[in-house]
Amino acid sequence: AQKVTQAQTEISVVEKEDVTLDCVYETRDTTYYLFWYKQPPSGELVFLIRRNSFDEQNEISGRYSWNFQKSTSSFNFTITASQVVDSAVYFCALGVSGNTPLVFGKGTRLSVIA
Amino acid sequence: DTGVSQDPRHKITKRGQNVTFRCDPISEHNRLYWYRQTLGQGPEFLTYFQNEAQLEKSRLLSDRFSAERPKGSFSTLEIQRTEQGDSAMYLCASSSGGQNTGELFFGEGSRLTVL
Repeated sequence: AQKVTQAQTEISVVEKEDVTLDCVYETRDTTYYLFWYKQPPSGELVFLIRRNSFDEQNEISGRYSWNFQKSTSSFNFTITASQVVDSAVYFCALGVSGNTPLVFGKGTRLSVIA
Repeated sequence: DTGVSQDPRHKITKRGQNVTFRCDPISEHNRLYWYRQTLGQGPEFLTYFQNEAQLEKSRLLSDRFSAERPKGSFSTLEIQRTEQGDSAMYLCASSSGGQNTGELFFGEGSRLTVL
């Protein structure tokens, strides 16, 4: 069975600080996909990134970066120079090959204080 | 606005009543998903449709729950004889591909409170 663990329930940082959100996953499948979604106070989950298990290259998109390490089954998300608008709940999710449902972690609530 | 829309956004009902939620996906998306999210938890999969066919249902979807997508466009999720444990946010999402091949577009959810 698939499992996603986001050990950090809540994080508070001061604006402009860097922050890393941790995600550890479990699966026996060799082909799988990892996602990060953002849920702002409005409630609508917003897709941020998708990586497949064969692509361990880290990715950077503006202030966001993702570190995928198969050796530690982790897919961590870093926000550089955080801003108040980054305040939200962030979910890591795992899907395996085929069209099986995504498994989401419990989320990390990030509060960025001005 | 051409995103996923859900109605109603909030519903308060008494235990034992029936409720129905509607989801209008992005028009060109052939796949539609229902998830449930309780406080402090991530979304949990309930069911999904490809066009009008319901292809998978979670064990979370008891026989009091029924979902339809009659013409492959909008979908409804009905809960009969509601229980307090049904209180949650019900999220709808749509996509043009499978859950694992691309992005899911979520609506803002329908929050259910069962008294």
